[in-house]
Amino acid sequence: NAGVTQTPKFRVLKTGQSMTLLCAQDMNHEYMYWYRQDPGMGLRLIHYSVGEGTTAKGEVPDGYNVSRLKKQNFLLGLESAAPSQTSVYFCASSYSGQGDSYEQYFGPGTRLTVT
Amino acid sequence: GEDVEQSLFLSVREGDSSVINCTYTDSSSTYLYWYKQEPGAGLQLLTYIFSNMDMKQDQRLTVLLNKKDKHLSLRIADTQTGDSAIYFCAESIGSNTGKLIFGQGTTLQVKP
Repeated sequence: NAGVTQTPKFRVLKTGQSMTLLCAQDMNHEYMYWYRQDPGMGLRLIHYSVGEGTTAKGEVPDGYNVSRLKKQNFLLGLESAAPSQTSVYFCASSYSGQGDSYEQYFGPGTRLTVT
Repeated sequence: GEDVEQSLFLSVREGDSSVINCTYTDSSSTYLYWYKQEPGAGLQLLTYIFSNMDMKQDQRLTVLLNKKDKHLSLRIADTQTGDSAIYFCAESIGSNTGKLIFGQGTTLQVKP
């Protein structure tokens, strides 16, 4: 099993450009999440999905869109990149484990720089 | 709203015990988690504790939960240089979503 994979690993964008980050998981997990990690701020939830075809807003959704057309994939889009979106983006997936413990499994991250 | 707070940095000598502390605000959290992040990598689940437990031990790791004070701690016995990493505390929020709120992370530095 590859677990959770993210594409690309690194990207540099100019302000105003758009891009899509791809997250894929091969564990048949129902739940998927996109986070951003900034120094001293921990991880903040951008959007999440509780199943194929469903998405919901997290803590910091502005400037991002997501889609979950297939159970194994969760896409994060930046429509018009801004320097404030420079960050490391992590995808995670989870299942409802024993006693609804929802253990999350993380991808390796995408480092995005917007100039 | 929900919030999770951690101290930012801890330095210990190899062989000593490390104790990383965390406070949280949502008293309805069902589970509390500890994740580890090594440089350049994603987060890896270390352990978690159900909210009706006071303590959980897993090899060198001991988790203590004081639900009254909303305080969680992670003790690492016989700390090794390979334990150097960022440790995140997280609490579950909402129901049937698996959503977590993470603390800022504690950087553990282990000196030889």
